[in-house]
Amino acid sequence: LAKTTQPISMDSYEGQEVNITCSHNNIATNDYITWYQQFPSQGPRFIIQGYKTKVTNEVASLFIPADRKSSTLSLPRVSLSDTAVYYCLVGESDYKLSFGAGTTVTVRA
Amino acid sequence: NAGVTQTPKFQVLKTGQSMTLQCAQDMNHEYMSWYRQDPGMGLRLIHYSVGAGITDQGEVPNGYNVSRSTTEDFPLRLLSAAPSQTSVYFCASGGAGESNTGELFFGEGSRLTVL
Repeated sequence: LAKTTQPISMDSYEGQEVNITCSHNNIATNDYITWYQQFPSQGPRFIIQGYKTKVTNEVASLFIPADRKSSTLSLPRVSLSDTAVYYCLVGESDYKLSFGAGTTVTVRA
Repeated sequence: NAGVTQTPKFQVLKTGQSMTLQCAQDMNHEYMSWYRQDPGMGLRLIHYSVGAGITDQGEVPNGYNVSRSTTEDFPLRLLSAAPSQTSVYFCASGGAGESNTGELFFGEGSRLTVL
């Protein structure tokens, strides 16, 4: 399984942009990078997925450099409701997705 | 849309008892999996299945059995519960095929306490 490393926690304030960087040095050629969000007492929820360069949706942006050894999830103008744990996953071809401890993002007023 | 449904949501067992956590999905997904999440930790993969009749082990399979007789259902069995299996269990499902990961859809979780 390709391992990922991301910060344990991050603090931010409402209205700021939050950037979470994930390292995945052993990413394989066919692997995708996927981010999930988890609120307390809920299952994780898909945020965004990408293979290379930049991907943007209505919730976040995902930046992936050319070497694909890292990726950065960008949450624009966060609100209190964005307080959650964010997981970076690197996908295996056989779906054995591994969730690390994730990054706990705390947004303060 | 029901999505992924897990039952029960809460369960208390005594050491040595057996039980089955149920998981059903109505999205015709080929892939299904079970994770456990301990306090303050990420999700660890227990077992997964890429289609009916096909199952495989994840990171922490010991103490758990699974089977996949239909596309919709993927039950997780604890044959002899131990306190170390106290955790929150999540079932997930996803598409398969050309997209090697796709999006996983998770259930709401089943909180299990083993005394």
